[in-house]
Amino acid sequence: EDQVTQSPEALRLQEGESSSLNCSYTVSGLRGLFWYRQDPGKGPEFLFTLYSAGEEKEKERLKATLTKKESFLHITAPKPEDSATYLCAVRKGGSEKLVFGKGTKLTVNP
Amino acid sequence: DAGVTQSPTHLIKTRGQQVTLRCSPKSGHDTVSWYQQALGQGPQFIFQYYEEEERQRGNFPDRFSGHQFPNYSSELNVNALLLGDSALYLCASSLAPRKGRAYEQYFGPGTRLTVT
Repeated sequence: EDQVTQSPEALRLQEGESSSLNCSYTVSGLRGLFWYRQDPGKGPEFLFTLYSAGEEKEKERLKATLTKKESFLHITAPKPEDSATYLCAVRKGGSEKLVFGKGTKLTVNP
Repeated sequence: DAGVTQSPTHLIKTRGQQVTLRCSPKSGHDTVSWYQQALGQGPQFIFQYYEEEERQRGNFPDRFSGHQFPNYSSELNVNALLLGDSALYLCASSLAPRKGRAYEQYFGPGTRLTVT
């Protein structure tokens, strides 16, 4: 069964303290790994799509990387406005549904 | 560029009642997917519509049904509501898969359904 596990469940950082979030997955025939940001009570906001091992994408302070078993979301010098829940999702070949992890709740203190 | 819109924002229903949620996709998109998100969990796929047909369905009972209209907007209907149906219902739009290409899904703000 397709599975996505995110760690840690929650992470507290000081402003400027860089760190990484992990997303490990088990899926046959990966056809895309997606990162979303979700603020409380709102819908997920699309961040990145990664398709193959070795691929990297960057946006402002965020950088996503992909291996054959996991993906990392690196946050460099975070700011309080980066506080949110970050969700990872995978899609496999022959399917259009996204399978999500439970997310990592990031809090950045000023 | 109009994003995905959903209505209503919040809804309170009683057990056994029926509810209809609505979604308008992002401009240019023709595919709509629905997800249920319980508190503290990731979204769970309910089903996907394009060309006015249900194309794929997740592990949800038949109480959950949907429809897509010619203008690509969509409705999610839930019958015989249970307390466990309380959740954030999310609509996501995308382009339909073509020639094996998979497109990103963009989410709306969600409808918060509370069943009492």
